[in-house]
Amino acid sequence: QVQLQESGPGLVKPSETLSLTCTVSAYSINSGYYWGWIRQPPGKGLEWIGTIYHSGNTYYNPSLKSRVTVSVDTSKNQFSLQLRSATAADTAVYYCARAVWVGATGVWFDSWGQGTLVTVSS
Amino acid sequence: SYVLTQPPSVSVAPGQTARIPCGGNNIGSKTVHWYQQKPGQAPVLVVYDDRDRPSGIPERFSGSNSGNTATLTVSRVEAGDEADYYCQVWDSSSDHVVFGGGTKLTVL
Repeated sequence: QVQLQESGPGLVKPSETLSLTCTVSAYSINSGYYWGWIRQPPGKGLEWIGTIYHSGNTYYNPSLKSRVTVSVDTSKNQFSLQLRSATAADTAVYYCARAVWVGATGVWFDSWGQGTLVTVSS
Repeated sequence: SYVLTQPPSVSVAPGQTARIPCGGNNIGSKTVHWYQQKPGQAPVLVVYDDRDRPSGIPERFSGSNSGNTATLTVSRVEAGDEADYYCQVWDSSSDHVVFGGGTKLTVL
């Protein structure tokens, strides 16, 4: 059973970079699947941030694309999120998840981390 | 960009059937996935590819998709089904994931 665990600072100052890492257990990132980040502001719905394949192929939410980088480190079986120029609007629970990609029919997330709350505040 | 519309809330009595709609322009041409999220927990996939269930998800959860509406149906609703439910698609025209706004299922 694959397990995902988010880690990173719980508090980020405005204008700084929000950085999170997702460590994957019981499954090798190199073996396939895509890997993604989703966030949820307090009391609100889910927002997709971006998705990456182990080869480095990435897809990003157009509304965040200019500030986001998702990367993968296969040697550590981890993937990461960087969100630059953070503002209070980026305060949210951030989830990492495994994504199943089936050709033209699209992608869904079959396993999720427990989530980590990141607050952007001075 | 593609938009998915869900009602904020649906209420149903225990033992009855809950139907949660997800509207989108010609959504029937896309594949829809559904997640259940209980308070303080991560989302859980309950239906993928319009109507398939992951291992461990009760048969009471089913999905359909046609025209401009996809529907998650929860039969014989139990108190433990009370949660937020989100629909999700892949928008191939812009290459990105889209989530609906979520529907809170209340068991009366």
